Amino acid sequence: QKEVEQDPGPLSVPEGAIVSLNCTYSNSAFQYFMWYRQYSRKGPELLMYTYSSGNKEDGRFTAQVDKSSKYISLFIRDSQPSDSATYLCAMSEYGNKLVFGAGTILRVKS
Amino acid sequence: DSGVTQTPKHLITATGQRVTLRCSPRSGDLSVYWYQQSLDQGLQFLIQYYNGEERAKGNILERFSAQQFPDLHSELNLSSLELGDSALYFCASKRTGGYQETQYFGPGTRLLVL
Repeated sequence: QKEVEQDPGPLSVPEGAIVSLNCTYSNSAFQYFMWYRQYSRKGPELLMYTYSSGNKEDGRFTAQVDKSSKYISLFIRDSQPSDSATYLCAMSEYGNKLVFGAGTILRVKS
Repeated sequence: DSGVTQTPKHLITATGQRVTLRCSPRSGDLSVYWYQQSLDQGLQFLIQYYNGEERAKGNILERFSAQQFPDLHSELNLSSLELGDSALYFCASKRTGGYQETQYFGPGTRLLVL
């Protein structure tokens, strides 16, 4: 079983939809949770960072972490065609490597 | 632009050869991480350096080695290349201190071994 599980999709939604992306994990020592966006095999771009449990909002993006369930989510409101990309969840213990999910391919149709 | 630079962007070489990938971290970042991204394995951690010293190793093959220099740039050396080494190689850097654990990734080097 992988440390981090993420549905690879693809997920296809119409423009303006609310998108929900999720990851589950097994290592209870993870404290730091991130979402990266990757376009066409370019370098992953940091979208959201959350420490421990809770919610964080930045514009159209909201990240949620539920450590009791070992479950993290990223919500994208009013999705745009430019949001079409691969979304990678990542998590780590303090000072350690990032452990990534497989990535979810998102397609937003105009 | 993350501030992390990597060269070269693309590399095509033959089996058995040796290549060197270069990474310059963001200004002020002391930690450098190397990752490999292949279609079947996703993003996998290879090795971490902090201020010139090796800090952690992941799934890095013995044919691969790395180092971080006094100016903090890092190089990943891949030798006796095999077809299966074809992948994207990313480096990431991280600031030290506080609770910020975010890593910023470079644009990657696409390696194709023929």
